[in-house]
Amino acid sequence: AQSVTQPDIHITVSEGASLELRCNYSYGATPYLFWYVQSPGQGLQLLLKYFSGDTLVQGIKGFEAEFKRSQSSFNLRKPSVHWSDAAEYFCAVGGNAGKSTFGDGTTLTVKP
Amino acid sequence: DGGITQSPKYLFRKEGQNVTLSCEQNLNHDAMYWYRQDPGQGLRLIYYSQIVNDFQKGDIAEGYSVSREKKESFPLTVTSAQKNPTAFYLCASRDRGVNTGELFFGEGSRLTVL
Repeated sequence: AQSVTQPDIHITVSEGASLELRCNYSYGATPYLFWYVQSPGQGLQLLLKYFSGDTLVQGIKGFEAEFKRSQSSFNLRKPSVHWSDAAEYFCAVGGNAGKSTFGDGTTLTVKP
Repeated sequence: DGGITQSPKYLFRKEGQNVTLSCEQNLNHDAMYWYRQDPGQGLRLIYYSQIVNDFQKGDIAEGYSVSREKKESFPLTVTSAQKNPTAFYLCASRDRGVNTGELFFGEGSRLTVL
């Protein structure tokens, strides 16, 4: 069965500092991987996705993620965090019939 | 603008009552999904539908029911059999024509059982 682990429940970074959110997945075949962001009380918005090709994927809002098959990881990064990036971030792996499996999420707090 | 509309945004229910959450999309997507979100947990799949008049149970379907009579609509009924219905419910859709298609989400409905 497919699964996603986000080891960090909560991360705090200072504004302007770099960010890395970790994601590990378990999936039998080549995975389709996604990062979504959720503001409080809102739905989820796609940041970026990986399905093949270049292992470094660029997304919206200056985010990028790197797929590492050997480590079963798909970590999300941003060089310089803005206060508006404070939110909850979810990593997901796509399965049959588009049934995505989500991690438990990482809450990002940005200090001024 | 195309998107997914969920209503109501907030809903209060007494124990023993059924309640129906609405989900409408104008993205022309064939596939639609219902997820449940609890604090500190990821999203768990309740039901999904890949085509009109057909739907399948997800991981936590007990106590829920759905219908898919129209492509645009995928309502979720939370029945009195659902033991712990207080949660945030998210509806999503996907373009089946895109293998890697991501999910498009509505704004969610928060159900509180009093």
